[in-house]
Amino acid sequence: ETGVTQTPRHLVMGMTNKKSLKCEQHLGHNAMYWYKQSAKKPLELMFVYNFKEQTENNSVPSRFSPECPNSSHLFLHLHTLQPEDSALYLCASSQGDRDQETQYFGPGTRLLVL
Amino acid sequence: AQKITQTQPGMFVQEKEAVTLDCTYDTSDPSYGLFWYKQPSSGEMIFLIYQGSYDQQNATEGRYSLNFQKARKSANLVISASQLGDSAMYFCAMREGANYGQNFVFGPGTRLSVLP
Repeated sequence: ETGVTQTPRHLVMGMTNKKSLKCEQHLGHNAMYWYKQSAKKPLELMFVYNFKEQTENNSVPSRFSPECPNSSHLFLHLHTLQPEDSALYLCASSQGDRDQETQYFGPGTRLLVL
Repeated sequence: AQKITQTQPGMFVQEKEAVTLDCTYDTSDPSYGLFWYKQPSSGEMIFLIYQGSYDQQNATEGRYSLNFQKARKSANLVISASQLGDSAMYFCAMREGANYGQNFVFGPGTRLSVLP
């Protein structure tokens, strides 16, 4: 099993749909992250969880709702999205210790909102 | 102001030659970490190399080395003996301070194309 997995890899949804992105890490890490990567823009950090507690929410619209039931799983619940939300959504994890904090990424979910 | 600057939107290199990808950063924090990631067209962000602000020596990982010039605030990635599989986007990133996750910023990236 690879370090960080994400499902689905591709998702097409209408603006009225509700869907969820899933991320799972098999690295024994304590911190997990959601990033958004839009075309021609740097990666944008959306949410940070450490030991299941949300520690960062970078002014993300409420139509994105994260959930971290345990240190190995992270979800991003999506509802009433807009076309401009179409992007690559990347999940990452790190040790959560300040000396060991290289972030390891999953393959991403390519989201298209119609 | 941008925290991470990568001035080369695109670079070309001949197979088997070395290439340097530029990265400059801006921070007033004495403790920080610098990272390079590779993103092929498949989308996955692959960690390549890490340099801590207090590290005395330049980091190396196989064909990757980081030319760390602290006074100039630059952390250039050097790829030796380029291979066709090195064609990808390359991102420089920085973590400021001692906290995980927070203040982890990415540069805009450089697209490297390796020519046969």
